[in-house]
Amino acid sequence: QKEVEQDPGPLSVPEGAIVSLNCTYSNSAFQYFMWYRQYSRKGPELLMYTYSSGNKEDGRFTAQVDKSSKYISLFIRDSQPSDSATYLCASYSGGYQKVTFGTGTKLQVIP
Amino acid sequence: GAVVSQHPSWVICKSGTSVKIECRSLDFQATTMFWYRQFPKQSLMLMATSNEGSKATYEQGVEKDKFLINHASLTLSTLTVTSAHPEDSSFYICSAGTSGRAGTGELFFGEGSRLTVL
Repeated sequence: QKEVEQDPGPLSVPEGAIVSLNCTYSNSAFQYFMWYRQYSRKGPELLMYTYSSGNKEDGRFTAQVDKSSKYISLFIRDSQPSDSATYLCASYSGGYQKVTFGTGTKLQVIP
Repeated sequence: GAVVSQHPSWVICKSGTSVKIECRSLDFQATTMFWYRQFPKQSLMLMATSNEGSKATYEQGVEKDKFLINHASLTLSTLTVTSAHPEDSSFYICSAGTSGRAGTGELFFGEGSRLTVL
């Protein structure tokens, strides 16, 4: 079993829709949870960085962590074509431990 | 966020030659840098962790003699693919974390380097 599981998609939504991206993880030691956006042939860009359970909002993006169910989510409101990319979730336990990435979900927002 | 620059972004080389990829942190000091490899439609695979002034720590299955990593300063790490072969063709991405921020997790990535070995 992979430590971080993510549906690879692809996920296609119309412009303006609310997008829900999800991951599950198995390592109870994970304390930090991140979402990265990666455009084709580019390096990942950090979108959200959260600690422990709870919600964090940044503009149209909301990250949600439920440690009791080991479930992490990213919501994108009013999705735009420019949001079309692969979204990677990632987790780690803290300090300088290795970060574990999901396989990424490819999102396409259709104008 | 902090800026990490990676160069070259694209390189094509002949089989048997060596290729060097540079990773620079432009506006912060990176005590730790990470090198990843990414195959099409797959996630990032950590190859090694490099710490300034010390030897890199390689992940299991990664040949340290094939992938030489040097982190000689707080702003520069290099990955040299020695005697490259077509199976080394991949997308290589570096990332950096700063000791002043929250440890490893707030990683900043370079743009990636696409290596094609003919």
